[in-house]
Amino acid sequence: GAVVSQHPSWVICKSGTSVKIECRSLDFQATTMFWYRQFPKQSLMLMATSNEGSKATYEQGVEKDKFLINHASLTLSTLTVTSAHPEDSSFYICSADLGQGYNEQFFGPGTRLTVL
Amino acid sequence: AQSVTQLDSQVPVFEEAPVELRCNYSSSVSVYLFWYVQYPNQGLQLLLKYLSGSTLVKGINGFEAEFNKSQTSFHLRKPSVHISDTAEYFCAVSGLTGGFKTIFGAGTRLFVKA
Repeated sequence: GAVVSQHPSWVICKSGTSVKIECRSLDFQATTMFWYRQFPKQSLMLMATSNEGSKATYEQGVEKDKFLINHASLTLSTLTVTSAHPEDSSFYICSADLGQGYNEQFFGPGTRLTVL
Repeated sequence: AQSVTQLDSQVPVFEEAPVELRCNYSSSVSVYLFWYVQYPNQGLQLLLKYLSGSTLVKGINGFEAEFNKSQTSFHLRKPSVHISDTAEYFCAVSGLTGGFKTIFGAGTRLFVKA
């Protein structure tokens, strides 16, 4: 089946530093990847849609300069949380789309970010 | 715009009892419907999905769901739950609106008691 990995699985950083999270599709090419944020005991909130070779599309209220997304290849998208602060602490989950006709996303295992 | 409502935030149930987790959606276009399960500190696992065809969809781990267009519902059911079914369950919808973005419900915490 389609497998999506994330790295790292968890990260702790100091306030003011930047953190990069990788999302990889291991056995398929993903033209489109999605980044979600999940606060404790809450649902997933879509942050942005990442398209290979073009700029990401951010959801309303998501700061694009704060959450930098790069989708440089068909198997890798990265989310960089710049100048992280404690309020950025969250569970970040990515998903990848197999493309038209499949109508299903495959989710990564998530990355737990804790900003001290 | 599409939206998903999960009517119960928590559902406690005894082991081997049946369970139903409710989900209602709203959309002005044809939709695809999904149920996902999330265990603590893990990503989402697809339980089942409705794209078209038969309205009764069977998924993994003995779960099934029925798409009811007139009631705009997609309730998840299992005839006999196990302790290991304790997890968070999310109903989700995607469709032509917004380029097949997936919108998630708030989630239902299923707690199976011995």
